[in-house]
Amino acid sequence: DAKTTQPPSMDCAEGRAANLPCNHSTISGNEYVYWYRQIHSQGPQYIIHGLKNNETNEMASLIITEDRKSSTLILPHATLRDTAVYYCIPFLRINAGGTSYGKLTFGQGTILTVHP
Amino acid sequence: KAGVTQTPRYLIKTRGQQVTLSCSPISGHRSVSWYQQTPGQGLQFLFEYFSETQRNKGNFPGRFSGRQFSNSRSEMNVSTLELGDSALYLCASSYRDRGMVTEAFFGQGTRLTVV
Repeated sequence: DAKTTQPPSMDCAEGRAANLPCNHSTISGNEYVYWYRQIHSQGPQYIIHGLKNNETNEMASLIITEDRKSSTLILPHATLRDTAVYYCIPFLRINAGGTSYGKLTFGQGTILTVHP
Repeated sequence: KAGVTQTPRYLIKTRGQQVTLSCSPISGHRSVSWYQQTPGQGLQFLFEYFSETQRNKGNFPGRFSGRQFSNSRSEMNVSTLELGDSALYLCASSYRDRGMVTEAFFGQGTRLTVV
């Protein structure tokens, strides 16, 4: 399984953009980058995913470097409700065999604290 | 569309007992995965069921087992409970076919306390 490195914690002012980095230098060519977040004691919430191109949805934007070794999740206008642990996870979405298919391997994530 | 439903939300059991947790996936999702979350180990994959068959398994002892029914609902069972089994147990459902699986959507979890 590809390993990820995320900063343990980050702070962001309410209303400002939150940029959460993730290093996944060992990601394989067919692994997507998925982002989830977990608000205290709730189930993880899917945010966004991408393979090579940058992606945007109603929650966030995902910027993936050209070499795919790192990515950045951007919350454009952070609110207090965005305070959570954010996980970056390489994920095998396409069945190419092996035991990693369909399995989410969570790291320690980044604790994002949004303050007023 | 209803989300993933886990029951019960909270449970207190005594060491040595067994427990069964239930998960109803999102309608149309046939893949159900189970995860354990503890403060020390974080979120860890237990197993995945698809079409009533276990397709993938994490590194947990045989006391942890599961099954999936024809309506895609899943149960997990933990026998001979230990104090260390106290955790938040999370269920996630995905759409899956032979060639691909989509993003997983999680339930709110079952908080198990073993005393």
